[in-house]
Amino acid sequence: IAGITQAPTSQILAAGRRMTLRCTQDMRHNAMYWYRQDLGLGLRLIHYSNTAGTTGKGEVPDGYSVSRANTDDFPLTLASAVPSQTSVYFCASSWTGGTNEQFFGPGTRLTVL
Amino acid sequence: GENVEQHPSTLSVQEGDSAVIKCTYSDSASNYFPWYKQELGKRPQLIIDIRSNVGEKKDQRIAVTLNKTAKHFSLHITETQPEDSAVYFCAASNSNGANNLFFGTGTRLTVIP
Repeated sequence: IAGITQAPTSQILAAGRRMTLRCTQDMRHNAMYWYRQDLGLGLRLIHYSNTAGTTGKGEVPDGYSVSRANTDDFPLTLASAVPSQTSVYFCASSWTGGTNEQFFGPGTRLTVL
Repeated sequence: GENVEQHPSTLSVQEGDSAVIKCTYSDSASNYFPWYKQELGKRPQLIIDIRSNVGEKKDQRIAVTLNKTAKHFSLHITETQPEDSAVYFCAASNSNGANNLFFGTGTRLTVIP
């Protein structure tokens, strides 16, 4: 099935634990993104990758890391989770150039206690 | 960096009336302006977009206008229906640069039957 998937759907995590959110797309898009969505703040970019092997920092990168070993996968890691990282996380992908439309995954609801 | 402001934060209209959501942006290099609709518990989905070489674009009951000089763009929904109820986000990006989207904080539209 073409599209973008995320795992897990939701997670409750103790503060200080390490967590990796997974994102996979099969549209062969070169660019991928991670956003967090918090009430009243909209969607804020955490990290992005314009092509496999490269990554960049977005608006709110602190406390998060990413890797892009191949075109399809773009995992987001919280090395030591804190309660302020409680949020809904969306992964997205797009072509750069052309239509620029970003396609979003279904989201991961993360609660850090 | 880019700063996108969106108003109003909430909007209630009677079914059949029109709804208008307004956004401003700060970076004159931005040239791509998408609008996303997010239903409760779902992912954001693109509903319409406009590029800086166009002043207006329509798709059935939805239209977007862009004023590059004033750096503002607006979403117009005519003949609103209950299924239009959702949160709408505007965004801006520079497709010649990193292609990252900067989102407004969202407008919760409620269409009253």
